[in-house]
Amino acid sequence: ILNVEQSPQSLHVQEGDSTNFTCSFPSSNFYALHWYRWETAKSPEALFVMTLNGDEKKKGRISATLNTKEGYSYLYIKGSQPEDSATYLCAPDPSWGKLQFGAGTQVVVTP
Amino acid sequence: DVKVTQSSRYLVKRTGEKVFLECVQDMDHENMFWYRQDPGLGLRLIYFSYDVKMKEKGDIPEGYSVSREKKERFSLILESASTNQTSMYLCASSLAGEGDEQYFGPGTRLTVT
Repeated sequence: ILNVEQSPQSLHVQEGDSTNFTCSFPSSNFYALHWYRWETAKSPEALFVMTLNGDEKKKGRISATLNTKEGYSYLYIKGSQPEDSATYLCAPDPSWGKLQFGAGTQVVVTP
Repeated sequence: DVKVTQSSRYLVKRTGEKVFLECVQDMDHENMFWYRQDPGLGLRLIYFSYDVKMKEKGDIPEGYSVSREKKERFSLILESASTNQTSMYLCASSLAGEGDEQYFGPGTRLTVT
C-alpha cells in the first residue's frame, strides 16, 4: 500500500482566481498517475492519466504536471468557476490498475 | 458513453445479514473493481477482477468476497455484515490494466445497524 498524500485537504477559492494543489507519492516504479474529479452526488470522473516524468496534460482550464523522480504531481485550475467545486483525487497506479488513492483535495469556489 | 450502474444507491442492513452489491458495465471492459470510501480516507480497493471468474484481493479484502460470472457484472458480497462495513461502496471498470482510466458507478451507501 502506497502512502499518497494530497495537500491541502480543502481550499476555498474566489471565482476567477487560480489555484493549485499537490499529490505526493513514493517515487518508486509505477505505471501511471491518475487524477479524478468527484462532484457531490455524482461519480468520480477521470481528468488525466499521466505516465511519463515531465508529463503535462490540459483539459480546458485545468492542467496537471508530473514529476516521477521526486514523487509529486500538481493540479492547476485557472480562473476558477463555481462548477469547478469538487473533490480532486489523485491515484498512482503501481501495479496494473490497482490504484492507490489519496484522500483528496476539496475545492469550493465561491461567486 | 460508458455506463457503470450499481443496484442500489442506499441500503440498510442488519448485523449478520448477507449482503449483495451488484455492479454492471456496458462497455465490454476487462477489468472491474470494488472500492469503499470512508471520511478522511481515500478510496480503498477491496477486490478487483481482470477477467470472468478471475479475481484478486485488493488492500482490504477481509470480510468481503466477489463474484464475476459474466464479463459485464461484478458482485461484492458481505458474508456477514458488521457495523464497521458501513460505508460508501463504489464500483469501477476499465478497458485494461495499465494506464487506462477507470469509470465509476454512482456508489451505494450501505448502513449496517
